[in-house]
Amino acid sequence: AQSVSQHNHHVILSEAASLELGCNYSYGGTVNLFWYVQYPGQHLQLLLKYFSGDPLVKGIKGFEAEFIKSKFSFNLRKPSVQWSDTAEYFCAVNAGTASKLTFGTGTRLQVTL
Amino acid sequence: DGGITQSPKYLFRKEGQNVTLSCEQNLNHDAMYWYRQDPGQGLRLIYYSQIVNDFQKGDIAEGYSVSREKKESFPLTVTSAQKNPTAFYLCASKPGTGRSGANVLTFGAGSRLTVL
Repeated sequence: AQSVSQHNHHVILSEAASLELGCNYSYGGTVNLFWYVQYPGQHLQLLLKYFSGDPLVKGIKGFEAEFIKSKFSFNLRKPSVQWSDTAEYFCAVNAGTASKLTFGTGTRLQVTL
Repeated sequence: DGGITQSPKYLFRKEGQNVTLSCEQNLNHDAMYWYRQDPGQGLRLIYYSQIVNDFQKGDIAEGYSVSREKKESFPLTVTSAQKNPTAFYLCASKPGTGRSGANVLTFGAGSRLTVL
């Protein structure tokens, strides 16, 4: 069964600090990987995704993530966070031919001015 | 604008009552999903449906039921058998296999259920 681990539950950063949120999954075969973001009071929306090809993927708002197959990881990064990045971030995996998406427990990011 | 409409946004229920949450999409998506979101637990899959008149249990289906009589609609009933129903419920959909964006979920705004 596929599963996803997010190690950081609550992260507090000052504006302009760099961000890295960890995500590890457990599945040995082909995977599709996602980061979703939930801003306060808004819908859950797609931040970026990896299906195949270049393991470094870029998403909206300056976010990027790197797929490292040997580490079963898909960490999310941003060089300089803004106050508006305050949100909850979810990593998700769709393994093989499975139709369902499995989510991690989420990381709450709080960016202070 | 295409999207997913969930209703009601807020719902209060007394213990022992069944309640049905509505989910309607006008995106012409084949697959639809129900997730439950609890603080610190992320999103957990309740039920999903890949095609009309067919659906599968997710990871936490006990105490819930669904139907998929129309492509656009995937209502979720929270029954009195669900031991801890107070939660935020999210409906999502995606195109069918082989279609553009086939693996990307679109989410609704959610329904918050509180059992009194």
